[in-house]
Amino acid sequence: KNEVEQSPQNLTAQEGEFITINCSYSVGISALHWLQQHPGGGIVSLFMLSSGKKKHGRLIATINIQEKHSSLHITASHPRDSAVYICAPIQGAQKLVFGQGTRLTINP
Amino acid sequence: DTAVSQTPKYLVTQMGNDKSIKCEQNLGHDTMYWYKQDSKKFLKIMFSYNNKELIINETVPNRFSPKSPDKAHLNLHINSLELGDSAVYFCASSQELVGVVGSPLHFGNGTRLTVT
Repeated sequence: KNEVEQSPQNLTAQEGEFITINCSYSVGISALHWLQQHPGGGIVSLFMLSSGKKKHGRLIATINIQEKHSSLHITASHPRDSAVYICAPIQGAQKLVFGQGTRLTINP
Repeated sequence: DTAVSQTPKYLVTQMGNDKSIKCEQNLGHDTMYWYKQDSKKFLKIMFSYNNKELIINETVPNRFSPKSPDKAHLNLHINSLELGDSAVYFCASSQELVGVVGSPLHFGNGTRLTVT
């Protein structure tokens, strides 16, 4: 079993839909990153959070450290949101452990 | 201006060769990393340097050797390349160690290495 499990692995939705991607992890962590990998391969850090909720534009990330769970939500999804979203909990002070990614496709 | 730049973008080489991938960041960050993304798209940490000092060295074959001439550069040298080394290698940087909240990661665009 992987230390980090994301669900779903693939998600296809229509433009405008509300999107939720879940991440569960089995390791003790200090914080967690959500990353976005574009179709061209580039990786962008969306959020880093250790508690509660963070919002940036149409993106919202939540984390519950006790329950070892985090979610990434996208409101009013758009085709440009199509990408792979990767959950990456941080073990200790330094080591990222990566989920396998969720491939999101938003159709117009 | 590109914050984290890697060269080359593509690298095709034969088994047994020695190659290098260069990484430079102009963000003034103290910490730099090398990550490997395999054919199944799994990312994994390889090395982490903080102020030119090696912090993390995961179970990577010693054919892989990082070199940090200064805080802004972290190059990756690979000796005796093998077929299994084919992957995309990402360089990244952060101001503090990656676990410090408020210290996001900045990634380079990746180097696709193909060993034939």
